[in-house]
Amino acid sequence: SSELTQDPAVSVALGQTVRITCQGDSLRSYSATWYQQRPGQAPVIVMYGKKKRPSGIPDRFSGFGSGNTASLTITGAQAEDEADYYCNSRDNSAKIPYIFGPGTKVTVL
Amino acid sequence: EVQLVESGGGLVKPGGSLRLSCVASGFTFSAQAMNWIRQAPGKGLEWVSSITRDSDYKFYADSVRGRFTVSRDNAKNSLYLQMNSLRVDDTAVYYCASSGTVDFDLWGQGTVVTVSS
Repeated sequence: SSELTQDPAVSVALGQTVRITCQGDSLRSYSATWYQQRPGQAPVIVMYGKKKRPSGIPDRFSGFGSGNTASLTITGAQAEDEADYYCNSRDNSAKIPYIFGPGTKVTVL
Repeated sequence: EVQLVESGGGLVKPGGSLRLSCVASGFTFSAQAMNWIRQAPGKGLEWVSSITRDSDYKFYADSVRGRFTVSRDNAKNSLYLQMNSLRVDDTAVYYCASSGTVDFDLWGQGTVVTVSS
């Protein structure tokens, strides 16, 4: 099966911009979905279909996808954006339909 | 309110069984595929199982195939995960998630499964 890779951790100063990336062969065929998981909470979807934002998600979150890479950008990071971010896509293999990236810990300084 | 509520987690010995439940409200449960996703302590998300709207198709991760069985009762707006032959490495928070507009667009709060002797 395919796999998705993410940087383990990134940090960003309050109010600055941070970009999180996700890479994998499956992204050539399927769009990435991004989830935010704050400590002790369930994941929440923040971006899907490369750059579609669910209602209620601040517009400081934006998405992009090209080739085997997807990215999630937070422009003007806030303290409440400190969380783990996971990418996910469908898988090219017929055996396992879904895969998750290992997650990126975003720290807001 | 649109929500998913899991239950059924607990402490079980290796080799034991548990049945997880997930009750949906606020949306048309029968119209959506449903999923189980788990997260071991301090680890990332792992897809476990999915079931289509009418239960025609069921999918499992290699790590649980043959031990776990997913099912649903659309009349009761409920999703289930029967877990048999549990192992220590099945210890995790188990989330149910719906597939509406997009895969895994709504998650429950999770239920904790601990497998330990």
